[in-house]
Amino acid sequence: GENVEQHPSTLSVQEGDSAVIKCTYSDSASNYFPWYKQELGKRPQLIIDIRSNVGEKKDQRIAVTLNKTAKHFSLHITETQPEDSAVYFCAAQRFGNEKLTFGTGTRLTIIP
Amino acid sequence: SAVISQKPSRDICQRGTSLTIQCQVDSQVTMMFWYRQQPGQSLTLIATANQGSEATYESGFVIDKFPISRPNLTFSTLTVSNMSPEDSSIYLCSVGLRRSYNEQFFGPGTRLTVL
Repeated sequence: GENVEQHPSTLSVQEGDSAVIKCTYSDSASNYFPWYKQELGKRPQLIIDIRSNVGEKKDQRIAVTLNKTAKHFSLHITETQPEDSAVYFCAAQRFGNEKLTFGTGTRLTIIP
Repeated sequence: SAVISQKPSRDICQRGTSLTIQCQVDSQVTMMFWYRQQPGQSLTLIATANQGSEATYESGFVIDKFPISRPNLTFSTLTVSNMSPEDSSIYLCSVGLRRSYNEQFFGPGTRLTVL
């Protein structure tokens, strides 16, 4: 089955700096890669996603890049703000299969 | 996205008992899923709730322990049976809206503590 590795497990950055979280996946048939943000005590929220026919996608301060050859994808957050502090999960979905396989999560802390 | 609700939001139960968690969506959805999230951990898929047929369970999860119902396209239940303290966790339902590429959206979760 699919295996998704996520790094780092914790990340602290100064407010205003950028944060990058990386994930690798094992199944070359995976074609959909969402990112979720989970604040303490809240549900995971879909913040951005990318399909395998696209190399990069941006939405204001967040962007996701995908390298299909290397089977890895990354979340980039620029101009970080205190409200970006949360746990972020990457996930992968195989074409034709509705299931998501999640990474282990990254606890991001923004230092004021 | 859809509005997804879960009941109860939290519960404290005695070992050996069972708890049924409900998931309600405000629109018809094709796919519904149940996840478990243990404290400080990632999300683990328990099963896919199929409308009109038996749920599809992931490795390590069995129907006798986690029976699931899906009577229609807006509702599902997950029962945690014969509970032990190891079942203490957050249980989340999610729905696939099939708007374009199978985005999934999560319910608020049910925090279960087993004493």
